[in-house]
Amino acid sequence: DIVMTQSPDSLAVSLGERATINCKSSQSVLYSSKNKNYLAWYQQKPGQPPKLLIYWASTRESGVPDRFSGSGSGTDFTLTISSLQAEDVAVYYCHQYYSRVTFGQGTRLEIK
Amino acid sequence: EVQLVESGGGLVKPGGSLRLSCAASGFTFSTYSMNWVRQAPGKGLEWVSYISSTSTYIYYVDSVKGRFTISRDNAKNSLYLQMNSLRAEDTAVYYCARDAPVDLTGSPYYFDYWGQGTLVTVSS
Repeated sequence: DIVMTQSPDSLAVSLGERATINCKSSQSVLYSSKNKNYLAWYQQKPGQPPKLLIYWASTRESGVPDRFSGSGSGTDFTLTISSLQAEDVAVYYCHQYYSRVTFGQGTRLEIK
Repeated sequence: EVQLVESGGGLVKPGGSLRLSCAASGFTFSTYSMNWVRQAPGKGLEWVSYISSTSTYIYYVDSVKGRFTISRDNAKNSLYLQMNSLRAEDTAVYYCARDAPVDLTGSPYYFDYWGQGTLVTVSS
């Protein structure tokens, strides 16, 4: 199974500042023949189901604010929130779908 | 508007059974693969099972193989999860999640819509 490891486990950032969450996979999730990374990011607020933010590592889902961006390839990925807003407080998960499905353990994002 | 509504959760004793349902609306259910994902209290997400649009491809996480069965009824726009031999570690909120409409290879992709979830508690 592919193991997904996120860092840090929790993060406190001031409003308007940049937040960066990392995700590392135990093996590459790049499907070379399609040149696509099988990696998604979700946001989960308390009491709510997860919400899709990013897929194919860097494609923003429709309706997601452009302050959210995804980057990386192979085994190392990053979710960046360029200017943190109060409504971004949540737990964020990465998800690989290269080989079945596994999620990272989650990163809790709070306001400093 | 896409809607996924889970039901069937509750309190069950270890070794017992439960059947979860997910009612889908707002999209052509029969053309989408579906998944079950669970989340233990205060914990992270764990994928449980996948079923392709025509039930041709079915996969499970190792920890539920032989105990859980995923199925669907496209005529009723419904997804199911039959859970047998339940254990304390199966206690979780169970979400149904729609698989993104990427292709028909029979593999799960990313999940573009999720239900609100139904809580399953396994305890004596």
